Amino acid sequence: DSGVTQTPKHLITATGQRVTLRCSPRSGDLSVYWYQQSLDQGLQFLIQYYNGEERAKGNILERFSAQQFPDLHSELNLSSLELGDSALYFCASSVGSGTDTQYFGPGTRLTVL
Amino acid sequence: AQTVTQSQPEMSVQEAETVTLSCTYDTSESDYYLFWYKQPPSRQMILVIRQEAYKQQNATENRFSVNFQKAAKSFSLKISDSQLGDAAMYFCAYRSYNNDMRFGAGTRLTVKP
Repeated sequence: DSGVTQTPKHLITATGQRVTLRCSPRSGDLSVYWYQQSLDQGLQFLIQYYNGEERAKGNILERFSAQQFPDLHSELNLSSLELGDSALYFCASSVGSGTDTQYFGPGTRLTVL
Repeated sequence: AQTVTQSQPEMSVQEAETVTLSCTYDTSESDYYLFWYKQPPSRQMILVIRQEAYKQQNATENRFSVNFQKAAKSFSLKISDSQLGDAAMYFCAYRSYNNDMRFGAGTRLTVKP
């Protein structure tokens, strides 16, 4: 158990819908990262927040957005969902914003029908 | 852009024997971090080992060790005394100082009893 929690574990929704994935980092960690793992794209870094501010951006679509709240939990919002958005979404956390080791949560499996 | 290549989609090892997983990467940066993550059937990403590019000494964690060849941009993982619980997907990852994290496509390791 990494100490990073993600909810829900599974999510099934329809195309065009909007969903919110939630992540709570390990105690004391200030950075939260979001990743997408799909069969065709592999593991991709989406975005990082550090202490409430966006710090780095990867291959995140404009239909996706994220935020980190004062209590340091983070939410990833996915809108106008398409079939290709079906994937495992991981959250990871680290102590700082630099090159600290990231610890991954168990992931949220999103299925878009 | 940095790319990470794992040329072995699948590997197999006999229990108690040693196996080496390959990883190469492409970068123009001089400072970066390299990681090996393990993903068992539970899908959780588990950190196996980490290497700082500025360190010449190869990292070791119990039965896991790396062979880091900076000039060759190679970062292989050696698993000694393989155990059934080592069976998983193994991902090599590169992280630059701007926090962008890139993963290889993964190597599926099977451990035969």
